[in-house]
Amino acid sequence: QSALTQPPSASGSPGQSVTISCTGTSSDVGGYNLVSWYQQHPGKAPKLMIYEVNKRPSGVPDRFSGSKSGNTASLTVFGLQAEDEADYYCSSYESSDTYVFGTGTKVTVL
Amino acid sequence: EVQLVESGGGLVQPGGSLRLSCAASGFTFSTYWMSWVRQAPGEGLVWVSQIKGDGRRTSDADTVKGRFTISRDNAKNTLYLQMNSLRAEDTALYYCATGGLPAAYDSWGQGTLVTVSS
Repeated sequence: QSALTQPPSASGSPGQSVTISCTGTSSDVGGYNLVSWYQQHPGKAPKLMIYEVNKRPSGVPDRFSGSKSGNTASLTVFGLQAEDEADYYCSSYESSDTYVFGTGTKVTVL
Repeated sequence: EVQLVESGGGLVQPGGSLRLSCAASGFTFSTYWMSWVRQAPGEGLVWVSQIKGDGRRTSDADTVKGRFTISRDNAKNTLYLQMNSLRAEDTALYYCATGGLPAAYDSWGQGTLVTVSS
């Protein structure tokens, strides 16, 4: 149950896009289309942004997009806005009803 | 509206025990998988445990297996986490979480802080 690997930080100017990677193995990210992404602002609980690799829950802007290739999943935020500055975590189903989160990425809007 | 309210956190000595609770409302509790996720100060999210709606199936992270026990009381709409043999590395904010979406948590509590220290 090793944490999925994410870059520690990512940044972009307002209006630009930023992509965050989430690398696992064939036993988690690569083995199931059950990757989700969470946004967490300081002092707040996480918020679900993407589930099942590329689906958005109701209320999440379509600026947020998820994808997956092999053992790596990605979250892209298009048209960056100031309120997108937060920590982002990926998560994947592993096996036998267990899950694993990513190491987290701090997104800065320049 | 879904509400999850955790309680039971506090300061405990290494080797000690603590029981966390999560009171749920706003949804049909007995039909939802429920989970515990923790976050050490300044660190990332870590999945801890999960329990099926009827309580008959549970799963745990390797780091807590044999020490933590997840359970639920569907009559009281409450989720529990019994934590034994606590270690300094168990210090974290513990969230309960759930969701109606596959393998995803769209509802979170505000968390309860557990500090393991002598």
